[in-house]
Amino acid sequence: DVKVTQSSRYLVKRTGEKVFLECVQDMDHENMFWYRQDPGLGLRLIYFSYDVKMKEKGDIPEGYSVSREKKERFSLILESASTNQTSMYLCASSISTGNTEAFFGQGTRLTVV
Amino acid sequence: TQLLEQSPQFLSIQEGENLTVYCNSSSVFSSLQWYRQEPGEGPVLLVTVVTGGEVKKLKRLTFQFGDARKDSSLHITAAQPGDTGLYLCAGAPGTYKYIFGTGTRLKVLA
Repeated sequence: DVKVTQSSRYLVKRTGEKVFLECVQDMDHENMFWYRQDPGLGLRLIYFSYDVKMKEKGDIPEGYSVSREKKERFSLILESASTNQTSMYLCASSISTGNTEAFFGQGTRLTVV
Repeated sequence: TQLLEQSPQFLSIQEGENLTVYCNSSSVFSSLQWYRQEPGEGPVLLVTVVTGGEVKKLKRLTFQFGDARKDSSLHITAAQPGDTGLYLCAGAPGTYKYIFGTGTRLKVLA
């Protein structure tokens, strides 16, 4: 069975903390994505990566950075967490182009207090 | 930024009723996907449509891609409580990226 695993289901962090969200996929997929999900806004793309060490900004990259040192792992970093970054974060991977299926992790619900 | 607008945003219906969810954009997509997300889980792919005018059926679910490849619809016949969830459309404007719609939250009451 294909699998995308996010390191935490729930996180509570303080304003100003540096936060790491980890995502691992076991499907040897080239593409990996980070989305945030907020009610009424759907999924908004933060960053994506189409190869190791390659990254591109999505629609809402401000306040975030990413790291992809190995093909199977894609990390999302909140440099200095703020309350408006409280959200559900979803990691996904896909094999190649946009016509193929995106496989999602179970999500990390982050609360910044 | 390309947008995909879904309507309605919320839908609460009785078991056995029919419903249609719409996904609209001003942009053309090379393909369009529909996902369903259940509470506490990530979205799971239901279908991909790639040809303008294409219709695909998945049991009681019928998916259509607009002729101009800018819109899509999902029709559910005789809805069941198991259909409850968040339905998301996602368009691929090119390679790599998916643009997700705003979502339709469906609740089917027994």
